[in-house]
Amino acid sequence: DAGVIQSPRHEVTEMGQEVTLRCKPISGHNSLFWYRQTMMRGLELLIYFNNNVPIDDSGMPEDRFSAKMPNASFSTLKIQPSEPRDSAVYFCASMASPNSAGELFFGEGSRLTVL
Amino acid sequence: AQTVTQSQPEMSVQEAETVTLSCTYDTSENNYYLFWYKQPPSRQMILVIRQEAYKQQNATENRFSVNFQKAAKSFSLKISDSQLGDTAMYFCAFMRYNAGNMLTFGGGTRLMVKP
Repeated sequence: DAGVIQSPRHEVTEMGQEVTLRCKPISGHNSLFWYRQTMMRGLELLIYFNNNVPIDDSGMPEDRFSAKMPNASFSTLKIQPSEPRDSAVYFCASMASPNSAGELFFGEGSRLTVL
Repeated sequence: AQTVTQSQPEMSVQEAETVTLSCTYDTSENNYYLFWYKQPPSRQMILVIRQEAYKQQNATENRFSVNFQKAAKSFSLKISDSQLGDTAMYFCAFMRYNAGNMLTFGGGTRLMVKP
Protein backbone atom coordinates (compact mmCIF):
# COMPACT_ATOMS: atom_id res chain seq x y z
CA ASP A 1 0.00 0.00 0.00
CA ALA A 2 1.22 3.51 -0.77
CA GLY A 3 0.35 4.84 2.67
CA VAL A 4 -1.63 7.98 3.44
CA ILE A 5 -1.35 10.37 0.51
CA GLN A 6 -1.71 14.11 0.94
CA SER A 7 -1.69 16.91 -1.59
CA PRO A 8 -0.34 19.44 -2.11
CA ARG A 9 2.95 19.02 -0.23
CA HIS A 10 3.45 22.77 -0.22
CA GLU A 11 1.09 25.65 -0.84
CA VAL A 12 1.73 29.35 -0.72
CA THR A 13 -1.28 31.59 -1.04
CA GLU A 14 -2.41 35.08 -0.24
CA MET A 15 -4.68 36.09 2.58
CA GLY A 16 -8.32 35.77 1.66
CA GLN A 17 -7.84 32.97 -0.83
CA GLU A 18 -9.51 29.59 -0.51
CA VAL A 19 -7.27 26.64 0.32
CA THR A 20 -8.19 22.99 -0.19
CA LEU A 21 -6.04 20.20 1.21
CA ARG A 22 -6.63 16.64 0.13
CA CYS A 23 -6.10 13.26 1.71
CA LYS A 24 -6.36 9.66 0.59
CA PRO A 25 -6.27 7.28 3.56
CA ILE A 26 -4.90 3.77 3.48
CA SER A 27 -7.34 1.43 1.81
CA GLY A 28 -9.50 -0.38 4.36
CA HIS A 29 -8.87 2.10 7.18
CA ASN A 30 -12.08 3.31 8.80
CA SER A 31 -10.83 6.27 10.84
CA LEU A 32 -9.39 9.47 9.37
CA PHE A 33 -7.90 12.40 11.26
CA TRP A 34 -6.82 15.93 10.36
CA TYR A 35 -4.08 17.48 12.53
CA ARG A 36 -2.41 20.87 12.42
CA GLN A 37 1.18 21.36 13.57
CA THR A 38 2.75 24.70 14.50
CA MET A 39 5.76 25.64 16.57
CA MET A 40 3.60 27.50 19.06
CA ARG A 41 0.78 25.01 19.55
CA GLY A 42 2.33 21.68 18.61
CA LEU A 43 0.04 19.00 17.17
CA GLU A 44 -3.64 19.81 17.34
CA LEU A 45 -6.45 17.49 16.32
CA LEU A 46 -8.85 19.41 14.11
CA ILE A 47 -11.44 16.78 13.23
CA TYR A 48 -11.80 13.05 12.82
CA PHE A 49 -14.10 10.73 10.93
CA ASN A 50 -15.19 7.16 11.59
CA ASN A 51 -16.67 5.38 8.58
CA ASN A 52 -16.87 8.70 6.72
CA VAL A 53 -18.93 10.34 9.47
CA PRO A 54 -17.48 13.32 11.37
CA ILE A 55 -17.27 12.33 15.03
CA ASP A 56 -15.55 15.25 16.71
CA ASP A 57 -14.86 18.61 15.11
CA SER A 58 -14.31 20.53 18.32
CA GLY A 59 -10.74 21.21 17.29
CA MET A 60 -11.72 23.11 14.17
CA PRO A 61 -10.60 26.65 14.95
CA GLU A 62 -13.52 28.55 13.44
CA ASP A 63 -16.11 28.59 10.73
CA ARG A 64 -13.51 29.33 8.10
CA PHE A 65 -12.44 25.69 8.40
CA SER A 66 -14.49 22.83 7.02
CA ALA A 67 -13.78 19.17 6.33
CA LYS A 68 -15.57 16.55 4.30
CA MET A 69 -15.23 12.86 3.65
CA PRO A 70 -17.52 12.01 0.74
CA ASN A 71 -16.29 8.43 0.56
CA ALA A 72 -13.94 6.02 2.28
CA SER A 73 -10.97 6.93 0.09
CA PHE A 74 -11.00 10.71 0.07
CA SER A 75 -11.18 13.66 2.44
CA THR A 76 -10.70 17.40 2.11
CA LEU A 77 -9.90 20.17 4.54
CA LYS A 78 -10.91 23.59 3.30
CA ILE A 79 -10.02 27.02 4.63
CA GLN A 80 -12.03 29.93 3.29
CA PRO A 81 -10.95 32.67 3.57
CA SER A 82 -7.39 31.90 4.61
CA GLU A 83 -5.43 34.08 7.04
CA PRO A 84 -1.70 34.32 7.84
CA ARG A 85 -2.28 32.62 11.22
CA ASP A 86 -3.44 29.52 9.37
CA SER A 87 0.14 28.93 8.21
CA ALA A 88 1.11 25.49 9.49
CA VAL A 89 1.75 21.91 8.45
CA TYR A 90 -1.51 20.01 8.11
CA PHE A 91 -1.36 16.25 8.57
CA CYS A 92 -3.87 13.64 7.61
CA ALA A 93 -3.74 10.26 9.35
CA SER A 94 -5.73 7.07 9.21
CA MET A 95 -6.29 4.09 11.46
CA ALA A 96 -7.68 0.65 10.74
CA SER A 97 -10.86 0.73 12.83
CA PRO A 98 -12.65 2.70 15.53
CA ASN A 99 -12.14 1.77 19.17
CA SER A 100 -8.98 -0.14 18.50
CA ALA A 101 -5.51 0.72 19.66
CA GLY A 102 -4.21 0.35 16.18
CA GLU A 103 -1.30 2.26 14.76
CA LEU A 104 -1.99 5.74 13.44
CA PHE A 105 -0.53 6.18 9.96
CA PHE A 106 0.36 9.72 8.98
CA GLY A 107 0.77 11.31 5.61
CA GLU A 108 3.76 13.49 4.83
CA GLY A 109 1.81 16.65 5.54
CA SER A 110 0.85 19.75 3.58
CA ARG A 111 2.85 22.85 4.44
CA LEU A 112 0.62 25.90 4.07
CA THR A 113 1.96 29.44 3.99
CA VAL A 114 -0.55 32.27 3.90
CA LEU A 115 1.00 35.63 3.05
CA ALA B 1 -9.82 16.24 29.55
CA GLN B 2 -6.51 14.53 29.23
CA THR B 3 -3.22 16.38 29.04
CA VAL B 4 0.20 15.13 28.04
CA THR B 5 3.35 16.97 29.11
CA GLN B 6 6.85 16.58 27.76
CA SER B 7 9.08 18.73 29.93
CA GLN B 8 12.21 18.50 27.77
CA PRO B 9 11.88 20.63 24.61
CA GLU B 10 15.34 19.59 23.37
CA MET B 11 17.87 16.91 24.19
CA SER B 12 21.11 15.67 22.74
CA VAL B 13 23.04 12.43 23.08
CA GLN B 14 26.27 11.04 21.72
CA GLU B 15 26.02 8.25 19.22
CA ALA B 16 25.95 4.80 20.87
CA GLU B 17 24.90 6.20 24.24
CA THR B 18 21.56 5.90 25.99
CA VAL B 19 19.00 8.68 26.38
CA THR B 20 15.69 8.88 28.21
CA LEU B 21 12.82 11.14 27.16
CA SER B 22 10.22 12.07 29.77
CA CYS B 23 6.45 12.16 29.50
CA THR B 24 3.76 12.66 32.10
CA TYR B 25 0.03 12.66 31.60
CA ASP B 26 -3.07 13.51 33.52
CA THR B 27 -6.21 11.41 33.37
CA SER B 28 -8.94 10.01 35.57
CA GLU B 29 -9.32 6.99 33.31
CA ASN B 30 -8.12 3.54 34.32
CA ASN B 31 -7.98 1.97 30.86
CA TYR B 32 -5.97 3.69 28.20
CA TYR B 33 -3.06 3.42 25.78
CA LEU B 34 0.17 5.35 25.58
CA PHE B 35 2.36 5.85 22.55
CA TRP B 36 5.65 7.32 21.44
CA TYR B 37 5.75 8.67 17.90
CA LYS B 38 8.83 9.80 16.01
CA GLN B 39 8.88 12.63 13.49
CA PRO B 40 12.15 12.75 11.54
CA PRO B 41 13.13 15.81 9.48
CA SER B 42 11.21 14.32 6.56
CA ARG B 43 8.07 15.20 8.60
CA GLN B 44 6.22 11.89 8.42
CA MET B 45 5.26 10.63 11.88
CA ILE B 46 5.80 6.98 12.64
CA LEU B 47 4.89 4.87 15.66
CA VAL B 48 7.84 3.85 17.82
CA ILE B 49 6.22 1.97 20.67
CA ARG B 50 2.85 1.39 22.35
CA GLN B 51 1.84 0.47 25.91
CA GLU B 52 -1.52 -0.72 27.20
CA ALA B 53 -2.23 0.63 30.68
CA TYR B 54 -3.52 -2.70 31.96
CA LYS B 55 -0.19 -4.36 31.25
CA GLN B 56 2.37 -4.09 34.00
CA GLN B 57 5.24 -5.22 31.80
CA ASN B 58 7.05 -2.41 30.04
CA ALA B 59 6.91 -2.50 26.25
CA THR B 60 10.13 -2.92 24.28
CA GLU B 61 10.91 -2.66 20.57
CA ASN B 62 14.53 -3.43 19.79
CA ARG B 63 16.56 -0.45 21.07
CA PHE B 64 13.45 1.35 22.34
CA SER B 65 11.85 0.64 25.68
CA VAL B 66 9.51 2.42 28.03
CA ASN B 67 9.30 2.90 31.78
CA PHE B 68 5.59 2.97 32.52
CA GLN B 69 4.70 4.10 36.02
CA LYS B 70 0.89 4.08 36.19
CA ALA B 71 0.54 5.46 39.70
CA ALA B 72 2.88 8.32 38.90
CA LYS B 73 1.31 8.80 35.45
CA SER B 74 4.72 8.70 33.88
CA PHE B 75 5.72 7.15 30.56
CA SER B 76 9.36 7.67 29.61
CA LEU B 77 11.11 6.42 26.49
CA LYS B 78 14.62 4.98 26.64
CA ILE B 79 16.68 4.77 23.47
CA SER B 80 19.71 2.52 23.81
CA ASP B 81 22.74 2.55 21.53
CA SER B 82 21.57 5.81 19.93
CA GLN B 83 22.05 6.10 16.19
CA LEU B 84 22.26 9.15 13.94
CA GLY B 85 18.95 8.11 12.41
CA ASP B 86 17.27 8.56 15.77
CA THR B 87 17.55 12.33 15.36
CA ALA B 88 13.93 13.51 15.29
CA MET B 89 11.07 15.04 17.22
CA TYR B 90 9.52 12.55 19.62
CA PHE B 91 5.90 12.86 20.69
CA CYS B 92 4.25 11.14 23.60
CA ALA B 93 0.53 10.44 23.08
CA PHE B 94 -2.42 9.24 25.12
CA MET B 95 -5.61 7.53 24.05
CA ARG B 96 -8.57 6.57 26.21
CA TYR B 97 -9.84 3.06 25.81
CA ASN B 98 -12.87 2.95 23.50
CA ALA B 99 -12.45 6.62 22.69
CA GLY B 100 -12.80 6.30 18.97
CA ASN B 101 -9.05 6.45 18.45
CA MET B 102 -8.65 10.06 19.55
CA LEU B 103 -5.03 10.70 20.52
CA THR B 104 -3.82 13.58 22.67
CA PHE B 105 -0.21 14.50 21.91
CA GLY B 106 2.41 16.14 24.07
CA GLY B 107 4.40 19.13 22.86
CA GLY B 108 7.32 17.03 21.66
CA THR B 109 11.01 16.65 22.46
CA ARG B 110 13.60 17.40 19.80
CA LEU B 111 16.39 14.83 20.03
CA MET B 112 19.74 15.35 18.38
CA VAL B 113 22.13 12.42 18.15
CA LYS B 114 25.71 13.65 17.77
CA PRO B 115 28.45 11.68 16.02
